Amino acid sequence: DADVTQTPRNRITKTGKRIMLECSQTKGHDRMYWYRQDPGLGLRLIYYSFDVKDINKGEISDGYSVSRQAQAKFSLSLESAIPNQTALYFCATRGTFTDTQYFGPGTRLTVL
Amino acid sequence: AQSVAQPEDQVNVAEGNPLTVKCTYSVSGNPYLFWYVQYPNRGLQFLLKYITGDNLVKGSYGFEAEFNKSQTSFHLKKPSALVSDSALYFCAVRVTNRDDKIIFGKGTRLHILP
Repeated sequence: DADVTQTPRNRITKTGKRIMLECSQTKGHDRMYWYRQDPGLGLRLIYYSFDVKDINKGEISDGYSVSRQAQAKFSLSLESAIPNQTALYFCATRGTFTDTQYFGPGTRLTVL
Repeated sequence: AQSVAQPEDQVNVAEGNPLTVKCTYSVSGNPYLFWYVQYPNRGLQFLLKYITGDNLVKGSYGFEAEFNKSQTSFHLKKPSALVSDSALYFCAVRVTNRDDKIIFGKGTRLHILP
């Protein structure tokens, strides 16, 4: 969905490096989410945010941090990347009074 | 604990045949249920949802899903499969409490054979 964009789309990095994945949305939604997708494990929630001042941990937040710079921007950081963080990362948004999530195209991250 | 199960990792169906992708759920309270589809190198796209009302929900691309409260199931169906339906399908349930999270199943890969 072009309304939710993620940068970069692909990234290869080395163990120990700091990485930031960025998400921007033009849907005007207040709720934003970061997921990671691993084969056979589906999507697992890393962090989510109800608005700029309300950020919550998901089920697998260890090793990750986030920043909600504005309503439209939600960044995910890996302070010191490790190989088992190799995955496909998705950002998603949702409006307060709607049920449907809208996903970005994903960022494929490889940690060597 | 709230959860979603997709018992089949992969489903193979011949083109033109009906297809079913299974999903069962476990939630407290009334479930908000969703199906999403993921095509290669794309993000997830919304297909359909059940919130309340008619147990048969119609969605995009000719898909429908049947909510069965007694069996706690929400199976995805299509009367006649197309090769272009080949993709990864995710069932999801919304947790309707303050956390307001959506829990996804592990996904089912659907192969439509020409």
